[in-house]
Amino acid sequence: KNEVEQSPQNLTAQEGEFITINCSYSVGISALHWLQQHPGGGIVSLFMLSSGKKKHGRLIATINIQEKHSSLHITASHPRDSAVYICAVLTQGGSEKLVFGKGTKLTVNP
Amino acid sequence: NAGVMQNPRHLVRRRGQEARLRCSPMKGHSHVYWYRQLPEEGLKFMVYLQKENIIDESGMPKERFSAEFPKEGPSILRIQQVVRGDSAAYFCASSPNTGAPRYEQYFGPGTRLTVT
Repeated sequence: KNEVEQSPQNLTAQEGEFITINCSYSVGISALHWLQQHPGGGIVSLFMLSSGKKKHGRLIATINIQEKHSSLHITASHPRDSAVYICAVLTQGGSEKLVFGKGTKLTVNP
Repeated sequence: NAGVMQNPRHLVRRRGQEARLRCSPMKGHSHVYWYRQLPEEGLKFMVYLQKENIIDESGMPKERFSAEFPKEGPSILRIQQVVRGDSAAYFCASSPNTGAPRYEQYFGPGTRLTVT
């Protein structure tokens, strides 16, 4: 079993819909990252959080440390949001390495 | 402030050749991480370096792969005697500090290695 699990693997939505992507992890973490990877392949860091909730524009990320779960929400989705969204955790115990989920491929149709 | 730079963006090598991938971290960042993304797979950690030190290389294949981050110049990921299975996207990330609280990692655009 992977240390970081994402769901769904693939998600298709219509423009304007509210999107939720989930991430569960099984290890102790120092922080959790949400990343975006566009078809061109570049990776952009959207959020880093260790508690609570963060908001940036139409994107909202939440984390529940007790339940080891995080969600990424996109409000009023747009075709330009189409990308792979990746959850990654920074594990506790001194290591600085990120452990990644397999990603959620989001397609937003006009 | 320029972002993390990687070059080349695309690299084609024949089996048995050497591949050298370069990463220049963001200005003021002294920590570099290399990750590999195999086709249709997720990202995997390879190595974490600070200037002149390898901190964690637990994700590096035991043979043919090496990494360095010299006092001057970019970090280099070197793959000797490449094989087709090395074809992947290699991403570098940098961060300014690694004390508590943890700092965000900033990713470069990646180098896509194709071994023919």
